[in-house]
Amino acid sequence: AQKVTQAQTEISVVEKEDVTLDCVYETRDTTYYLFWYKQPPSGELVFLIRRNSFDEQNEISGRYSWNFQKSTSSFNFTITASQVVDSAVYFCAQTFQGAQKLVFGQGTRLTINP
Amino acid sequence: EPEVTQTPSHQVTQMGQEVILRCVPISNHLYFYWYRQILGQKVEFLVSFYNNEISEKSEIFDDQFSVERPDGSNFTLKIRSTKLEDSAMYFCASSDLRGSIQYFGAGTRLSVL
Repeated sequence: AQKVTQAQTEISVVEKEDVTLDCVYETRDTTYYLFWYKQPPSGELVFLIRRNSFDEQNEISGRYSWNFQKSTSSFNFTITASQVVDSAVYFCAQTFQGAQKLVFGQGTRLTINP
Repeated sequence: EPEVTQTPSHQVTQMGQEVILRCVPISNHLYFYWYRQILGQKVEFLVSFYNNEISEKSEIFDDQFSVERPDGSNFTLKIRSTKLEDSAMYFCASSDLRGSIQYFGAGTRLSVL
């Protein structure tokens, strides 16, 4: 069965600090997809990244970077030089080949203080 | 940029009443989904819809729920007899392929009194 664990319920940092959000997943499938979504205070879910299980290359997009390690079943998300606008709940999610539903983690509430 | 739109943004109803939540998925997408998020909790899958039929559903999606694509653009979620515990944010999503990115609407907050 699929399971996504985000052990950090809440994180609070001061602006400009770097912060890493952890995500650990469980699956027996060899082909699967991992996602990160952002939920700002306004409530919508904003797609950030999708990664398939065959692509372990790390990805950087501006201040955002993702570290995918199959050996530890982790897909961690780092924000460099955090800004107040990064304050949101961040969800890690997973699906696998042949399925359609996304399985979400519990989310990490990130607060960036000025 | 194409987006998923949901109406209304907030729905208030009395327990036992029927509600219909509406969604307009991205126009060239083929897979449609409903998810639910009870306040402060994680997002939970309800149902997926493809080729005019339900393709997958969770245990939450019981007989009081139904989905429909009444025309070429709308995708609806009906709750027949609402309960207090149905109060949540309901998200619609769509994707072009199985396993591809699911784009979410802004959600409908359902309050059952």
